[in-house]
Amino acid sequence: DIQMTQSPSSLSASVGDRVTITCRASQTISIYLNWYQQKPGKAPKFLIYTASSLHSGVPSRFSGSGSGTNFTLTISSLQPEDFATYYCQQSYSTPWTFGQGTKVEIK
Amino acid sequence: EVQLVESGGGLVQPGGSLRLSCAASGFTFSTFWMHWVRQVPGRGLVWVSRINGDGSITTYADSVKGRFSISRDNAKNTLYLQMNSLRAEDTAVYYCARALRVVTLDYWGQGALVTVSS
Repeated sequence: DIQMTQSPSSLSASVGDRVTITCRASQTISIYLNWYQQKPGKAPKFLIYTASSLHSGVPSRFSGSGSGTNFTLTISSLQPEDFATYYCQQSYSTPWTFGQGTKVEIK
Repeated sequence: EVQLVESGGGLVQPGGSLRLSCAASGFTFSTFWMHWVRQVPGRGLVWVSRINGDGSITTYADSVKGRFSISRDNAKNTLYLQMNSLRAEDTAVYYCARALRVVTLDYWGQGALVTVSS
């Protein structure tokens, strides 16, 4: 199975900060990397697919990059509604696997 | 509007069975792969299973292979997860999700809690 490792596991940031979350795959996954946002008690919300394609309706402050084994999710200017847990997920091969999550908290 | 609504969760004893349903609306159900993903409360997301549009291809995580069965009824726009020989470690919120272009999960249901306990 492909292991996905996110860093950091948590971070504290202020509104307006630029935030970067890293996701590393245990083997190459080309660009088959997706990002999701989850708030407490809610289902995950789809943000980015194939590493850098923004889902319709997702604010442009979110962006993704990377290929192969190293990927990043960047929030250019953190907004109050962005405080949540973020997960990366590979769809290169089954079983699809998720990172352990990165919790973005208010500083 | 795309909607996915799970039902069928609840409390079941170890070794028991449960069937989850996911009612889909707002899209042409038969043309999309569908998935199940689970999450232990307070923990991360774990992929469980997937099925293609006509139900002819299914895939499972090793942890559920041989115990869980995914299926769909395209006439009823409903996805199912039959869970047998349930274990305490199967306790989780189970989400159904639609696959966009096969490679990502663009819409998720609200989740159904399954608790396996005596």
